[in-house]
Amino acid sequence: QKEVEQNSGPLSVPEGAIASLNCTYSDRGSQSFFWYRQYSGKSPELIMFIYSNGDKEDGRFTAQLNKASQYVSLLIRDSQPSDSATYLCAVSRYGGSQGNLIFGKGTKLSVKP
Amino acid sequence: DAGVIQSPRHEVTEMGQEVTLRCKPISGHDYLFWYRQTMMRGLELLIYFNNNVPIDDSGMPEDRFSAKMPNASFSTLKIQPSEPRDSAVYFCASSMDALSYNEQFFGPGTRLTVL
Repeated sequence: QKEVEQNSGPLSVPEGAIASLNCTYSDRGSQSFFWYRQYSGKSPELIMFIYSNGDKEDGRFTAQLNKASQYVSLLIRDSQPSDSATYLCAVSRYGGSQGNLIFGKGTKLSVKP
Repeated sequence: DAGVIQSPRHEVTEMGQEVTLRCKPISGHDYLFWYRQTMMRGLELLIYFNNNVPIDDSGMPEDRFSAKMPNASFSTLKIQPSEPRDSAVYFCASSMDALSYNEQFFGPGTRLTVL
């Protein structure tokens, strides 16, 4: 059974701090990795994707991938109360494809003013 | 564009009844996905279509579930007969091209409650 594991949280950080969200996956054949944000009662929205080992930065967000350790993380710098949401990690065996995504159950982030 | 449209937004039905969920993808998107989200199992892909053709339905839980896409602008997910364990939020999503890293856009979801 291919799985994606996330700490369910809640993860609580003060405003302005760095929030670190972690995800591990079991399928070594996974090629592409995605982070989605889901506000309570809303639908998921894509924040970032990463395919290569290392870091990828987009504004206040940085995705980190380590395929040897089967580990992907999302760092949120200068956290804001508006970042409070559930963050879903998703992986795919297919490079560049978002079909056949396997999602983790998500980590709930709370940013305190 | 109005985004992905789903109807109904909420559905309450009794066990044994037929339920039909509807989705209109974003115009021009070739891929359509149906997901189910529960607290226990998280977000699960049920089936996805490319150009109206089902590509992978391995996530469909059992024969009570069926999905169709008769044209590029409409898809249905049907549950017959429904059971209480089918209670979940069902999302439809669409994307332009699954092979070019394009984003999947999710609809607002249908919250299904089976009593």
